[in-house]
Amino acid sequence: QVQLVQSGTEVKKPGSSVKVSCKPSGGSFNYDAISWVRQAPGQGLEWMGGIIPLYNTAHYAHKLQGRVTITTDVSRSTAYMEIRSLTSEDTAVYYCARDAYGGNTGGYYYYAMDVWGQGTTVTVSS
Amino acid sequence: QSVLTQPPSASGTPGQRVTISCSGGGSNIGSNTVNWYQHLPGTAPRLLIYRDDERPSGVPDRFSGSKSGTSASLAISGLQSEDEADYYCAAWDDSLSARVFGTGTKVAVL
Repeated sequence: QVQLVQSGTEVKKPGSSVKVSCKPSGGSFNYDAISWVRQAPGQGLEWMGGIIPLYNTAHYAHKLQGRVTITTDVSRSTAYMEIRSLTSEDTAVYYCARDAYGGNTGGYYYYAMDVWGQGTTVTVSS
Repeated sequence: QSVLTQPPSASGTPGQRVTISCSGGGSNIGSNTVNWYQHLPGTAPRLLIYRDDERPSGVPDRFSGSKSGTSASLAISGLQSEDEADYYCAAWDDSLSARVFGTGTKVAVL
C-alpha cells in the first residue's frame, strides 16, 4: 500500500513563504493526481488545489489563487505546495493526498482522495 | 465560506443508525459525484465514500452513501464508539472549477 510522506513542522514569520513536500514511499505518482488540503485550528477541511503530474496541470481554490503554487518534480517523485505572503490565517495542518481525476468538456475534475500524508503543521507567528 | 451545507452535529447510541445530510447546488452535487471523509483529530482524513455510494476496500459496509438531486447523505448503521469523528462531504464544483468541502458534522456516540 502506497504511503505519502510529508516534510516536517514549520514555523514562519508573517510575510514569508513556506514550501511543503510530499513523496510516495516506494513508488511514483503514476497516473494519479495530488491534492493539498488544510485545516486551520477549529475550522473544517479546505481544498487548496491539486496537480495532475502526467499533464503538469494544476488547479487552485479561487481564494488562494496567486498565492499558492503546486508543483511536482518527476525526477524526485515529489510534489510541493508553496504559499507566499503568509499570515496568521495560514496557520494550519497541511495534508497532501493521492487523488483520482477525470476529464469532461469543462476540463479536469478531481473526485476521490484515497491516500493521505501524515500532515505538516505550519505555524505563522511573529 | 463552504458551498456545501451539513448539520454541525449528530449523535446516537451504540447500534443506532445516524444519517448526515449534505446540501449543495446544481454546479456541484447536481453535476458531479460526492465523496465522504471521516476525520479524527490528530490523524489524516479517511475516504469513506466516493462516486456517491461506492466504498473503498477496507471501509465497513456500515457506511453507505446516497444522492438525490443537489443533496447527498451518509448513513452510519450499527453505530460504534470508534465512529465518533468529524465527517465531511465534498464534490467538484463546475462553476468554481474547484473541489468544495461541506461544513462538517461532528458525530457523537452517546
